[in-house]
Amino acid sequence: QKEVEQNSGPLSVPEGAIASLNCTYSDRGSQSFFWYRQYSGKSPELIMSIYSNGDKEDGRFTAQLNKASQYVSLLIRDSQPSDSATYLCAVSDSNYQLIWGAGTKLIIKP
Amino acid sequence: DAGVTQSPTHLIKTRGQQVTLRCSPISGHKSVSWYQQVLGQGPQFIFQYYEKEERGRGNFPDRFSARQFPNYSSELNVNALLLGDSALYLCASSLYSGGVEQYFGPGTRLTVT
Repeated sequence: QKEVEQNSGPLSVPEGAIASLNCTYSDRGSQSFFWYRQYSGKSPELIMSIYSNGDKEDGRFTAQLNKASQYVSLLIRDSQPSDSATYLCAVSDSNYQLIWGAGTKLIIKP
Repeated sequence: DAGVTQSPTHLIKTRGQQVTLRCSPISGHKSVSWYQQVLGQGPQFIFQYYEKEERGRGNFPDRFSARQFPNYSSELNVNALLLGDSALYLCASSLYSGGVEQYFGPGTRLTVT
């Protein structure tokens, strides 16, 4: 069964520090990888997409992909209290359908 | 530009009833995907439609059905509601089907009593 695994947390990070969120996936045929942010009671919001090995930076966010290790991560620099949310990792399987992790709850402490 | 819209935002139904949820994608987007999300879990894929054709179906019973209209809007129907169908139903819009970026609407919160 195709799976996407995330540590459920909560992950507590001091304001201004770097938050590191991790995700592993089981389908070696996966080609597309996404990070979404979801505030409580709201719908997921796309933060980053990454399609090739290496790092992709967008503002305070950096996505890292290692297909050989089947691992994708999200770094948030200069963490702000407004970054407190659940972060969902989504991976497209070999049928191009998105498989989702259960999410990591991130808490930024002022 | 308007984002993805969904209606209604909240809905309360009784077991055994039927429900129809509606979604309008972002202008120019031709694909709509439906997901079910229960508290504490990630979204679970139900259907994907592209150009009015079903492109994928998740592991949901036949009580769940959907369709896409010529204007690319979509409906999700659930028959014979069960208590376990209580969830947040999310619609996601994308330019194409497949492993591309998806943008979510606000969701419909369905409660079955």
